[in-house]
Parts: sequence; C-alpha cells; structure tokens
Amino acid sequence: IVLTQSPATLSLSPGEKATLTCRASQTVSRFLAWYQQKPGQAPRLLIYDADNRASGIPDRFSGSGSGTDFTLTISSLEPEDFAVYYCQQRGNWITFGQGTRLEIK
Amino acid sequence: QLQLQESGPGLVKPSETLSLTCSVSGDTISGSVYYWGWIRQSPGRGLEWIGSISSRGSSSFNPSLKSRVNLFVDTSKNHFSLNLNSVTAADTSLYFCARGRDAHNPTSFFDFWGQGILVTVSS
Repeated sequence: IVLTQSPATLSLSPGEKATLTCRASQTVSRFLAWYQQKPGQAPRLLIYDADNRASGIPDRFSGSGSGTDFTLTISSLEPEDFAVYYCQQRGNWITFGQGTRLEIK
Repeated sequence: QLQLQESGPGLVKPSETLSLTCSVSGDTISGSVYYWGWIRQSPGRGLEWIGSISSRGSSSFNPSLKSRVNLFVDTSKNHFSLNLNSVTAADTSLYFCARGRDAHNPTSFFDFWGQGILVTVSS
C-alpha cells in the first residue's frame, strides 16, 4: 500500500492551525498512525488507529479519517511542533508515507 | 521507562552481511507480549519497515526484503538482532529498532524507538 502525504512542505506561523493529509492507495480501514520526527531523533508516535492520541501527546494534536483518506490536525502550532510528520499504515504489512515538512513561516 | 539501543558496525562491505543488535532495558523481552521491529530510513527510500519478531521467535518481514533478512531474539541477553545479507550501497541507511505497540501483532505501530545507528555500505 502506497501512502501519499500532502503537502510536501507546509509553511505556517506559531498559533496557526495545521492540516496534514495522508492518502492510501487502497483501504487501510482505521489502521493508520502519525509520527513526528525532529532532526537527529527517532520518530515519535502521535496518533494511532486514525484518531487515538498516544501517551503524553498534547490534545492540540488530533487525527481523523478512515478507509483511504486521513488527516492530522494541529489546532494551534507551538514552536516545538515544527518538524517532519509521517503517516504509517498497518492494514497490509507496514508502509510509511514520504513525509510532510512543517516549517516556520 | 522502556529504552532501546542499537549497536553494530557502522561500515559494511558490499556483498557482506549487515548485523545489528537492539538492547532493551526497562522491560524483559521474554515476558513481553509485543513484537520487536526494525525500521530503516534513508533520503532515497524514506522510512522502510524491515521486519518484526516476537519473544518466541515468530517473525514477519517486508516482502521486498524477506529473502535477505533474518531476525533473532536472545531473551537471556534481553536483546534482538537483525542480519541483512548481500548488502549493496542501496542498503546504506539509518537503522532503528522499535517496539510494536499492539500485543501479539507482528504488524503494528511503534511506540518506543532506539536513537538509530547509521550503517554505510562501502568498500
């Protein structure tokens, strides 16, 4: 299953709302997760099973979607949120999207 | 707090075998219901799942790598290992070990990760 993330780069300011999307080439039901990765660090699990926040993740992060179309929303960007975000599916083996870079405008 | 740490050579020659170990602390693999996985990352391939193994040795592999991958678990040392055979320059990547968050599920999301180890394939 190929995961396509858009946009490739998103330029926003702190305090703004971020909307990132992930589209699967075939249905993955709700078996989709979102990760955040900062330079020199491993990915960090944010959301699993489409809309469940992982332990310790702030409630400004939310996920939605099912089937082939998914969204990660960050309601009000904090300075530490600027990073690269990846989606991952486990509906058919495991694959990752190519990432969205969230940069400061 | 669960911690994972990758170790192994940072340089491997083409056609040889890449061998990495992931040491686990803060939990015992032998008593765990989770699968333990390997993921790699490179500029060209992005994030790529390699495979996952349970404490009992049951494993699941990325079909594109399955013919070259072996996974092992050593509960006495509380670590698990990856062997990738017949490597080429395309296998140059940052290799991560991680824990699958879903009990008894070989294909899972990953909630704890090691810091990663860069492996370069070059003569």
